[in-house]
Amino acid sequence: ETGVTQTPRHLVMGMTNKKSLKCEQHLGHNAMYWYKQSAKKPLELMFVYSLEERVENNSVPSRFSPECPNSSHLFLHLHTLQPEDSALYLCASSQNLGDRPTEAFFGQGTRLTVV
Amino acid sequence: DQQVKQNSPSLSVQEGRISILNCDYTNSMFDYFLWYKKYPAEGPTFLISISSIKDKNEDGRFTVFLNKSAKHLSLHIVPSQPGDSAVYFCAASTQYNAGNMLTFGGGTRLMVKP
Repeated sequence: ETGVTQTPRHLVMGMTNKKSLKCEQHLGHNAMYWYKQSAKKPLELMFVYSLEERVENNSVPSRFSPECPNSSHLFLHLHTLQPEDSALYLCASSQNLGDRPTEAFFGQGTRLTVV
Repeated sequence: DQQVKQNSPSLSVQEGRISILNCDYTNSMFDYFLWYKKYPAEGPTFLISISSIKDKNEDGRFTVFLNKSAKHLSLHIVPSQPGDSAVYFCAASTQYNAGNMLTFGGGTRLMVKP
């Protein structure tokens, strides 16, 4: 496999459930991201991991909990979500060079529905 | 307040003609700009980028123009093809953030008619 892979592609969960989204990148990148795309809103950055350390937590509620065990894997643990959390969750990776930005590569996303 | 805006939610163009997608930004710290294309049920795909030290970058049928004084960038696609029909997002970043984070516009849906 190449690129950025996300599983599952679709997820329906109840408000009391606990679930996890998984992301894996095969590009050798050193940074990974979670973005959220809600209906009629721009993509919003949620979390950034650079060199496996979280460098940004964009005021995301604690019911979303990221985990980055190594540079190739990223998880988003979900618990007690609300219906308004239903959205497309996108994982991305990039190679941080330190002196200039570079493009991010995205996975296909997980379409999450909270019922 | 949105720092990156795409004021046209949709654009319809005839095949073979030029498509021009526009993007405005407010944060003067942004120094790197990107365009992504997104098909339904897929993640965004990187198209082209431009650094603030340039005012134009070209890659095949795609050209991005940057007007720093106006805080405006545009993507030109010529000639447009039906396969270009997708949602196009502009994004901005700054080398001063630790994590290479992107701020996205709301997207413009391009429809290229055969």
